[in-house]
Amino acid sequence: EAGVTQFPSHSVIEKGQTVTLRCDPISGHDNLYWYRRVMGKEIKFLLHFVKESKQDESGMPNNRFLAERTGGTYSTLKVQPAELEDSGVYFCASSHGLAGADEQFFGPGTRLTVL
Amino acid sequence: GQNIDQPTEMTATEGAIVQINCTYQTSGFNGLFWYQQHAGEAPTFLSYNVLDGLEEKGRFSSFLSRSKGYSYLLLKELQMKDSASYLCAVGSYNTDKLIFGTGTRLQVFP
Repeated sequence: EAGVTQFPSHSVIEKGQTVTLRCDPISGHDNLYWYRRVMGKEIKFLLHFVKESKQDESGMPNNRFLAERTGGTYSTLKVQPAELEDSGVYFCASSHGLAGADEQFFGPGTRLTVL
Repeated sequence: GQNIDQPTEMTATEGAIVQINCTYQTSGFNGLFWYQQHAGEAPTFLSYNVLDGLEEKGRFSSFLSRSKGYSYLLLKELQMKDSASYLCAVGSYNTDKLIFGTGTRLQVFP
């Protein structure tokens, strides 16, 4: 069984540009999560999809971030325009059940550097 | 609020035993997870505790005390490949997200 995959693995962009990150969850997992780790800090929740619906987007930093999951399969996270403080590693995770009762499987992350 | 604390770094010797502690404060506690993360790789699931007590899985064990808001991960017969970051995370009934600690970077020396 394939794990969670993310693309690209690395992205280096300039301030003001746009970047789109992609996550393919494990097949059959309805729950998809985005997390972010900025340097020296803990992994922090961004948002949660159940199928194609946003269940919780309380962790999204601001309206420069837009997440979609059309069709309830893969998800994209767009940052537009990117700022320096957006640099970090963006992780995607998927699970069959809810966080409190089911393991979340993480992807390898996308390392975003904004110059 | 929600808060997770764990040591930043630990070192140990190959073949030894190490215990990584985690304390937490959260509302609607619904389980504590330990993940292992090697540099540049995905966090991988190690254990899940929702009831008090010790869960053993091979060389790794995890303990939970809900009344104390405390957990530990015990690694036995350490191997060089165990050098990694160990992340403590709490699940909550109130939300569907995991709340992570900053992680403990473990270095195993020969």
